[in-house]
Amino acid sequence: AQSVTQPDIHITVSEGASLELRCNYSYGATPYLFWYVQSPGQGLQLLLKYFSGDTLVQGIKGFEAEFKRSQSSFNLRKPSVHWSDAAEYFCAVGARSQGAQKLVFGQGTRLTINP
Amino acid sequence: KAGVTQTPRYLIKTRGQQVTLSCSPISGHRSVSWYQQTPGQGLQFLFEYFSETQRNKGNFPGRFSGRQFSNSRSEMNVSTLELGDSALYLCASSLETGRNEQFFGPGTRLTVL
Repeated sequence: AQSVTQPDIHITVSEGASLELRCNYSYGATPYLFWYVQSPGQGLQLLLKYFSGDTLVQGIKGFEAEFKRSQSSFNLRKPSVHWSDAAEYFCAVGARSQGAQKLVFGQGTRLTINP
Repeated sequence: KAGVTQTPRYLIKTRGQQVTLSCSPISGHRSVSWYQQTPGQGLQFLFEYFSETQRNKGNFPGRFSGRQFSNSRSEMNVSTLELGDSALYLCASSLETGRNEQFFGPGTRLTVL
C-alpha cells in the first residue's frame, strides 16, 4: 500500500526567502504525485502534479517540484515566498492503475510567513 | 467552467442523528471521491464512485455510505453520528483518465454535539 511522509509539521520562513517542503512516498511502482495547498476553512487546490517524463515539474503560483526516484521524494520548492503563501501544504500519491482514483495524503506541512 | 460544489457548507448535528452531504462535480467529470479531514487523522479516503458504482472504499465503518446519480452528482450519508465524526468532508471529482488528477470542493464542515 502506498504511503506519504511529510517530515516537517510546521515551517516558518521570512517573506522573500526560498522555500522547500519535503515529501517522501512509498509505492511499489512509479506513482502519480501531487502537491495541494489548503487555506484555512477552504478545500484543496492543486499546485502541481507528476505523472511521467521530466522530473522537474512547474506548477501554479511559482511553485515547482522535483521527482527523485532514487530517494522516493517529491519536494516542493519556491524561490521567493510571499505572505499569501501562508497555508497548509499536502503531498499526495495516487495509485497508478486504471480505475483507481484513491489518493493517499501526507499529514501536511503548515507554512507560516514572517513579514 | 464551474468547480466542484458542496452543500451545505456547515452542519451541526447531535449524536445519534444521521446526515446527508451533497457534491456536484465539475461538468464532464464522472468520478467522485470523498475524503474526511480531521486534525488527528488528517485526510482519509472514504470512497469513490464512478458511473453510479462504488469503485473504491476506504477503511471506515458501514455507517458511512454514499451513492452517485446518473448526472454524476454524489451524496454521502453518515448514520448514527458520533462525536468523532466531526470533520471537514471534502468531495473531489476527476475525469476517467486513470491519472487521478482530482479537483476538490470547499468541503462541508460537520460538527456533532
